Amino acid sequence: KNEVEQSPQNLTAQEGEFITINCSYSVGISALHWLQQHPGGGIVSLFMLSSGKKKHGRLIATINIQEKHSSLHITASHPRDSAVYICAVRFNNDMRFGAGTRLTVKP
Amino acid sequence: DVKVTQSSRYLVKRTGEKVFLECVQDMDHENMFWYRQDPGLGLRLIYFSYDVKMKEKGDIPEGYSVSREKKERFSLILESASTNQTSMYLCASSSGQGDGYTFGSGTRLTVV
Repeated sequence: KNEVEQSPQNLTAQEGEFITINCSYSVGISALHWLQQHPGGGIVSLFMLSSGKKKHGRLIATINIQEKHSSLHITASHPRDSAVYICAVRFNNDMRFGAGTRLTVKP
Repeated sequence: DVKVTQSSRYLVKRTGEKVFLECVQDMDHENMFWYRQDPGLGLRLIYFSYDVKMKEKGDIPEGYSVSREKKERFSLILESASTNQTSMYLCASSSGQGDGYTFGSGTRLTVV
């Protein structure tokens, strides 16, 4: 069983919709990362969280340490948000990755 | 702009060939990592290195080796490529335990 589970695996939305991607993990962590991977393959870091909530533009990430759960929200989604979103957790000296959520936003 | 550069975006190799994937970072990071990414499985750690000439096995090291002769360069070697090594390979680096990773653009390797 993967230590990091994401849902949904695939998500299709219409432009303007509010998007939520979920991440659950089963180990004690020191930090959680949300990453974005565009079709070309490169991965960029969106957020690093150890508690609470962070916001950057239309993106909001939250984490509940007690429930071992994090969510990534996208407000007013746009076709350029189409990408794979990956949740990753750091525990000990290791990083574990979820399988990713493929988001497609249609105009 | 800081970078992790992977030498090839796309590679096609034949079964049995020895394959070298190169990764160079310009951030003076101590830590470097090689992952492979397959649909539905996410990123899986092949090898990592916390220092020059140091290497540690990750979760799926079989069929691979690595070399880190200089701090900025971390090479992944497929000793004898097989079709089940067809995958996207991603290199990453970080400066320390509390930091996030910087990823390269990936190399999509096809073994025929």
